[in-house]
Amino acid sequence: DVKVTQSSRYLVKRTGEKVFLECVQDMDHENMFWYRQDPGLGLRLIYFSYDVKMKEKGDIPEGYSVSREKKERFSLILESASTNQTSMYLCASSLSREQGTYGYTFGSGTRLTVV
Amino acid sequence: GQNIDQPTEMTATEGAIVQINCTYQTSGFNGLFWYQQHAGEAPTFLSYNVLDGLEEKGRFSSFLSRSKGYSYLLLKELQMKDSASYLCAVRDTGDDKLIFGTGTRLQVFP
Repeated sequence: DVKVTQSSRYLVKRTGEKVFLECVQDMDHENMFWYRQDPGLGLRLIYFSYDVKMKEKGDIPEGYSVSREKKERFSLILESASTNQTSMYLCASSLSREQGTYGYTFGSGTRLTVV
Repeated sequence: GQNIDQPTEMTATEGAIVQINCTYQTSGFNGLFWYQQHAGEAPTFLSYNVLDGLEEKGRFSSFLSRSKGYSYLLLKELQMKDSASYLCAVRDTGDDKLIFGTGTRLQVFP
């Protein structure tokens, strides 16, 4: 089974801190994604990547950046954390577009609280 | 714009059948997915439809009508463990992004 691992299940950070959320997948998937999930708003795409060193903005990239130096690792960075970034963050990966009949495999999520 | 609608909440009784609807208006379409998400956990894949019709997988079935921009997830012989949120997601054409609805929270009562 594909496994997507997010480094932390719960995080509490202070306003203004730089925050790193790490995600690693072990099945050689090309595509990786970062979403945030908020009540009543569903999953919203922050950034995604189809290849190493490649990144694309999603629907809500403001206040975030990403890094993909290796195929298996996709990091989400909050440059200066703010309280409105308190949320559940979900990482996902998928095979190439031609093989994507199973959609995404998700990590367990990181619940981030910014105080 | 991109819009996916599903009911916010539904309730049902153990052993019953429930249908969760999803309507979508997206700029492109390359498949529709249903995911199950238990509280505090990651979404898990349930079904995939890209052609019109019904896909059956055990107690769960999913239907798609592309001309109507409509899908439903049918859950039969409901069990308590089916209490969860059910997410409808559409894959856009040309890339592998999934656009998610806000999810339907299903509560199953004994």
